[in-house]
Amino acid sequence: SQKIEQNSEALNIQEGKTATLTCNYTNYSPAYLQWYRQDPGRGPVFLLLIRENEKEKRKERLKVTFDTTLKQSLFHITASQPADSATYLCARPGYSSASKIIFGSGTRLSIRP
Amino acid sequence: GAGVSQSPSNKVTEKGKDVELRCDPISGHTALYWYRQSLGQGLEFLIYFQGNSAPDKSGLPSDRFSAERTGGSVSTLTIQRTQQEDSAVYLCASSLEAGVGKTQYFGPGTRLLVL
Repeated sequence: SQKIEQNSEALNIQEGKTATLTCNYTNYSPAYLQWYRQDPGRGPVFLLLIRENEKEKRKERLKVTFDTTLKQSLFHITASQPADSATYLCARPGYSSASKIIFGSGTRLSIRP
Repeated sequence: GAGVSQSPSNKVTEKGKDVELRCDPISGHTALYWYRQSLGQGLEFLIYFQGNSAPDKSGLPSDRFSAERTGGSVSTLTIQRTQQEDSAVYLCASSLEAGVGKTQYFGPGTRLLVL
C-alpha cells in the first residue's frame, strides 16, 4: 500500500529561523505531492503542489522540494513568524485512484517569538 | 462566493443512534470528497463523488457508513448505529473538477462525539 509519513509530530523553532518539515513516501513516486495548512478547528487549506518532474517550487516565504531518489519532500518556511504556527499536512494521490488523496498525519509547527 | 459549508458544526449522539452530516460544496464544483480526522491523526479518505459517475466508496470503514449527493451538489454522509470509535471530525472538500492535482477546498468540519 502507499504510505506517506511525516516524521515529526511537532516542531518548535524560534521566530525568524527557517522551519523545515519532512514528508516521506513509500513505493512508487506519485505524480505530485501537495502541502496543506490546518489551523485548530478548521479544515485544511491548500498551499502548494509540486509535480514529480519539478525539483523545487516557491511561493512567497514557502519552498517545497521533491526528491524522487530519497522519496521525500521537504517544506520550508523562511523568516518564520508566530502566525505560521499551525499543523502542516502533506498529501499524495492514491495508486489505484488518483482522486483518492492520501494524507500524512501532519506536523504541528510552533514558532516562538 | 461562499466556501464549503458543513452542518452541524458539532454533534453529540448516543451509541446506536443514526446521524446525518451535511456538506454544501462550492457552487460549480463537480467533485466532492468526505474525510474523517481522528484526534491527532491525518485525514482518512472516506468517499468521493465526481459528477454523475458512480462514487468511489473504497474508503468507507463499514456498511454503517453511506453517502449520497443529490443533484450534483449537496451531499449527506449517514452513519447508522453509531459507535464510540466513530467519534471524529468529518471533513468535506470540493474541487472544480476531478483530476490530478486539482485543489481541494475544505469545509470547517463536523465534530461528532458518540457517547
